[in-house]
Amino acid sequence: EVQLVESGGGLVQPGHSLRLSCTTSGFNFGAYTMNWVRQAPGKGLEWVGYVRVKGYGEAKEYAASVQGRFTISRDDSRSVAYLQMTSLKTEDTATYFCNPEYPHSRGYFQYWGQGTLVTVSS
Amino acid sequence: DIQMTQSPSSLSASVGDRVTIACRASQDIVNSLAWYQQKPGKLPILLIYSASTLQSGVPSRFSGSGSGTDFTLTISNLQPEDVATYYCQKYNGAPLTFGGGTRVEIK
Repeated sequence: EVQLVESGGGLVQPGHSLRLSCTTSGFNFGAYTMNWVRQAPGKGLEWVGYVRVKGYGEAKEYAASVQGRFTISRDDSRSVAYLQMTSLKTEDTATYFCNPEYPHSRGYFQYWGQGTLVTVSS
Repeated sequence: DIQMTQSPSSLSASVGDRVTIACRASQDIVNSLAWYQQKPGKLPILLIYSASTLQSGVPSRFSGSGSGTDFTLTISNLQPEDVATYYCQKYNGAPLTFGGGTRVEIK
């Protein structure tokens, strides 16, 4: 059974940093691109970015809204993905989900964790 | 970047109706399109991928069609449990953009 557990969310002041973790199990973590998707309260889904697998150099891509501020990484030995968020803005307030491209490696998301809420406010 | 535009943003229909939701890409994405359902307070569920392939376990009243830039999600015989917001998503390369969503309600 695929399990995704996002953690690390909380209340943070604008301009500050936060690191989210996504602990996974139930699939071969190292074989799949890991994405982060967010959803602001009452709003739609927004793709944040991804980190590809080691075989593709762990290449990363980001949405324009977070480029230069957010960094995605992965630890295949621990089956964990990370989202390092810096220079946070109030508009980054959202629930953050991690999504593996498992099992089809195509870029759509069959599995969703419960997410972790990040609130950026002074 | 390719933009994904859904229409309408919301709709109200009766139980048993046929409902159609449109998703338009600003450039050709071939068939690299997925549809998700998100019920109030719940996580998104993958309904369809490759524009028209029904995800395992999804009721057959859901169907997808289209290619290139114009895509459609159809719910035939709308049921009360279909009340949700529906999102399209393109995945033919980054950014993996979602549409703005279509809220479906029962009249």
